[in-house]
Amino acid sequence: QVQLRESGPGLVKPSETLSLTCTVSDYSIKSDYYWGWVRQPPGRGLEWVASIYHTGSTYYMPSLKSRLTISVDTSKNQFSVKLSSVSAADTATYYCARHRIAVPFDYWGQGILVTVSS
Amino acid sequence: EIVLTQSPGTLSLSPGERATLSCRASQSVGSNYLAWYQLKRGQTPRFLIYGASSRATGIPDRFSGSGSGTDFTLTISRLEPEDFAMYYCLQYGGSPWTFGQGTKVEIQ
Repeated sequence: QVQLRESGPGLVKPSETLSLTCTVSDYSIKSDYYWGWVRQPPGRGLEWVASIYHTGSTYYMPSLKSRLTISVDTSKNQFSVKLSSVSAADTATYYCARHRIAVPFDYWGQGILVTVSS
Repeated sequence: EIVLTQSPGTLSLSPGERATLSCRASQSVGSNYLAWYQLKRGQTPRFLIYGASSRATGIPDRFSGSGSGTDFTLTISRLEPEDFAMYYCLQYGGSPWTFGQGTKVEIQ
């Protein structure tokens, strides 16, 4: 079955750019699914961040859109997210997950905690 | 943006009891695209219900979803020890997709 795994630095300095990659295993990222990011700040709820289709169509949370870039690398079966100008408010566990239009996030990665601190 | 409000914030129950969790939307959820997830600390979120009432693959039938429009419910008919966790609803019928703030189901 499909497996997703997040990777990237666990510590980012304020005002810098957070970069995470999700590697998808045992499933083609070029299938009829979207690939997305969801985050959960410590002690708080879940928030959808961004999604992408393998053709390159992108979808962003409006409140984060000006700082976000999501991309896909079909040759590596990976997708990535970059969040610029981070602050402590961006400290969260970031999950990658897949979804369809009619079926939301069904498979998730384990999550990666990213702390924004100097 | 559709705002989801979950109630109660915390539900204190005993194993074997019935749990009823509510999720209310600020406007009608398109196509009743409402899902439920279970979260436990340190674990991957577990996909329970989609389309308001369809169980995801492998989810036991003690979990059921109902509702339409703006009012949705997740019912756990008989709580098992492993069911004590946080539960979140998600609407994916309108953009952006939004989650509720969560309901904690704790052991009484």
